[in-house]
Amino acid sequence: AQTVTQSQPEMSVQEAETVTLSCTYDTSENNYYLFWYKQPPSRQMILVIRQEAYKQQNATENRFSVNFQKAAKSFSLKISDSQLGDTAMYFCAFMRAPGETSGSRLTFGEGTQLTVNP
Amino acid sequence: NAGVMQNPRHLVRRRGQEARLRCSPMKGHSHVYWYRQLPEEGLKFMVYLQKENIIDESGMPKERFSAEFPKEGPSILRIQQVVRGDSAAYFCASSLDRGLLGANVLTFGAGSRLTVL
Repeated sequence: AQTVTQSQPEMSVQEAETVTLSCTYDTSENNYYLFWYKQPPSRQMILVIRQEAYKQQNATENRFSVNFQKAAKSFSLKISDSQLGDTAMYFCAFMRAPGETSGSRLTFGEGTQLTVNP
Repeated sequence: NAGVMQNPRHLVRRRGQEARLRCSPMKGHSHVYWYRQLPEEGLKFMVYLQKENIIDESGMPKERFSAEFPKEGPSILRIQQVVRGDSAAYFCASSLDRGLLGANVLTFGAGSRLTVL
């Protein structure tokens, strides 16, 4: 079974600064996908960024980027130029290569509450 | 495209009553997933369904919980004889297919918050 660990329950950052959220995972699979989801106070789950394990290049989406270290099973999220609207719970998630019985099932970490201070 | 629609957004039940949560997937999506989020915790997988079939229910409690995704209409998560420990946010997500050619991004609904008094 896969497990996802987020060791930082809470973090804070000043507006316009950079923050990095940590995530490690455990799997015996070689082909898989990793995600970061954001859950603001509205509780809506919003996809932030996605990484395919077979790609060496780190994914980037505007101010969001990841540092994917496959050998270390590490998948950290870097938020640059933090904005007040980035305040949310951030969840790291793992997905096996989709299959007959697993579909696109996600395994989530426990989350990191990020607060951006003005 | 209305996205994944869940209702009710909030549901209050007394212990012993039944709770029914509904989820309409995104248009064209035939795969539905239910997740439960207890207070201060992450989302935990409950069940994965396709039209008229339960594919994986390994995350569902063995008793009182059931799910369906009929040929017509929304997916339903049903909790019988609710207890206070069932109080949680229940999220539904949908995807296009199992995505053998690549991971499908799950699209989540806004969740249904169940409170058991």
